[in-house]
Amino acid sequence: DAKTTQPPSMDCAEGRAANLPCNHSTISGNEYVYWYRQIHSQGPQYIIHGLKNNETNEMASLIITEDRKSSTLILPHATLRDTAVYYCIVRANNAGGTSYGKLTFGQGTILTVHP
Amino acid sequence: DVKVTQSSRYLVKRTGEKVFLECVQDMDHENMFWYRQDPGLGLRLIYFSYDVKMKEKGDIPEGYSVSREKKERFSLILESASTNQTSMYLCASILGGRNSGQPQHFGDGTRLSIL
Repeated sequence: DAKTTQPPSMDCAEGRAANLPCNHSTISGNEYVYWYRQIHSQGPQYIIHGLKNNETNEMASLIITEDRKSSTLILPHATLRDTAVYYCIVRANNAGGTSYGKLTFGQGTILTVHP
Repeated sequence: DVKVTQSSRYLVKRTGEKVFLECVQDMDHENMFWYRQDPGLGLRLIYFSYDVKMKEKGDIPEGYSVSREKKERFSLILESASTNQTSMYLCASILGGRNSGQPQHFGDGTRLSIL
């Protein structure tokens, strides 16, 4: 699976958009970009994923560059409850073997939303 | 919404005890996973299962075993608990096969302390 690079920490004011970047310059054509977040002492929460096109759901938007070497997770109106560690993961949709489905989390970005 | 339920949020056991961690998912997923998460080490795969009664070792299976008697339930067993197994344990599930990039969903985790 491709390696990802994220800034270690970011701040955001409550009510403003939080834009979290992720670099994945070695991404392959069959690899998806996934975003999860983890609030202290809880399990990782799935946010959104995409392959090529930009995606939006009730939680966030995902913008993937045309060359797919980077992406941005956008929380349009951050709240205090969005304070968490955000993980960007790139994984192929392979079947079989121990690599299938296994997720590798990097260090992620600690997002702090302040009043 | 996918629901992955782990039986306990917090558990305290003694060295040498046999410990059972239970996980249930309600989305008819074929694949289920057990990870442990430790500070500075990220998420590490212990075991996974791709079907009832089928299991595969992950990256750190030593000291653990698993059971998958029913599709919705995946149990992690610490045969003889040791203090180095104190950790956050996370269960996850995902649709099997070539699943068009569907995400893995996690439970809330079990924080296990071995005294």
